[in-house]
Amino acid sequence: EAGVTQSPTHLIKTRGQQATLRCSPISGHTSVYWYQQALGLGLQFLLWYDEGEERNRGNFPPRFSGRQFPNYSSELNVNALELEDSALYLCASSLVYGDRGNGYTFGSGTRLTVV
Amino acid sequence: KQEVTQIPAALSVPEGENLVLNCSFTDSAIYNLQWFRQDPGKGLTSLLLIQSSQREQTSGRLNASLDKSSGRSTLYIAASQPGDSATYLCAVRISSGSARQLTFGSGTQLTVLP
Repeated sequence: EAGVTQSPTHLIKTRGQQATLRCSPISGHTSVYWYQQALGLGLQFLLWYDEGEERNRGNFPPRFSGRQFPNYSSELNVNALELEDSALYLCASSLVYGDRGNGYTFGSGTRLTVV
Repeated sequence: KQEVTQIPAALSVPEGENLVLNCSFTDSAIYNLQWFRQDPGKGLTSLLLIQSSQREQTSGRLNASLDKSSGRSTLYIAASQPGDSATYLCAVRISSGSARQLTFGSGTQLTVLP
């Protein structure tokens, strides 16, 4: 069974540009979560999508947005990039109502560097 | 607001030693608690998941315990090996229906010396 896959692995953008990160959840998982891990900081919750809807978001500005597609894959978009957006972005998936047994499964991340 | 603390922040031990990593959380109304491992620059690997009704979980050389009433969990690693060197993260999911995301501690960076 394929795990959570994220693309691209690395992304270099210029300040002010837009970045798009992609995530494919484990087959059968309907929920996708996005986290930011900046250097020296902990994992910060960004967004939660389930069944195509945004269910919750963390304390991030509106230029962080995303969507979930009918096949449950997800995109994270970061507009007007700032230098401090440089971080490892991690995606996780879970079953919404069945995750008692499985917990959350994370992908390998996308390393975003803003120059 | 749930806060998760991990102590110590860093730990260095010789190979073969048994060790304990600590995690504490402020809101005992949790749904479950999950321990992860993260290698430098990599994603998270799930180690153990403990439901709120459970006291402990075991996988190989790893044993995690949960004391909800005191807001604590421990991860016990037996007979440590250099390959165990990584950052270990504790994360809790609260019971509130609209907040299913995990809240993470800042991690314990473990180094096992050969």
